[in-house]
Amino acid sequence: GIQVEQSPPDLILQEGANSTLRCNFSDSVNNLQWFHQNPWGQLINLFYIPSGTKQNGRLSATTVATERYSLLYISSSQTTDSGVYFCAVEGSYNTDKLIFGTGTRLQVFP
Amino acid sequence: EPEVTQTPSHQVTQMGQEVILRCVPISNHLYFYWYRQILGQKVEFLVSFYNNEISEKSEIFDDQFSVERPDGSNFTLKIRSTKLEDSAMYFCASSSDRDNEQFFGPGTRLTVL
Repeated sequence: GIQVEQSPPDLILQEGANSTLRCNFSDSVNNLQWFHQNPWGQLINLFYIPSGTKQNGRLSATTVATERYSLLYISSSQTTDSGVYFCAVEGSYNTDKLIFGTGTRLQVFP
Repeated sequence: EPEVTQTPSHQVTQMGQEVILRCVPISNHLYFYWYRQILGQKVEFLVSFYNNEISEKSEIFDDQFSVERPDGSNFTLKIRSTKLEDSAMYFCASSSDRDNEQFFGPGTRLTVL
């Protein structure tokens, strides 16, 4: 099945810093989503981005489907950005399940 | 803004007992899903449901699991005889169409003692 790898596994930042999280996937996809899992365990939808670039406030994401990767940019990080960021993909071949990566754990310190 | 809701938020049960986890998907959505996340691990797909039948299931979704849409709004996951290893966060999700964005509920934390 399709493989999803995220890097880095852990990231420690000072408030105000910028960061880039990466998601590589092994096959063509019909859906790619980025999530933030908050300290209470809730999965917050950040982006639905099977291709192209989107921006939402301090966050933006780019997916280059032909090269099978996606990037999540966090600018001017805040302590509330702390948590785990997951990339999840849905393969192109007769499937509707999301396959999640192992996540990037982000800690932002004041 | 419409959202997926789940009840209960926490459930504690004894090994061997049956549990039913409940979800109310977004009202105009047609595809429904269950995922689970064991503590400290990644989120894993369990089952997808469309047009009143299972469309896809994972190896985890064995005979101890079942899903149902008993009425026009609820979507349930039943675990017939819980095991210790069923302890996890269970997420329900829904989407308006295949390949569209999936929206997740807040999860039910299941603890099996």
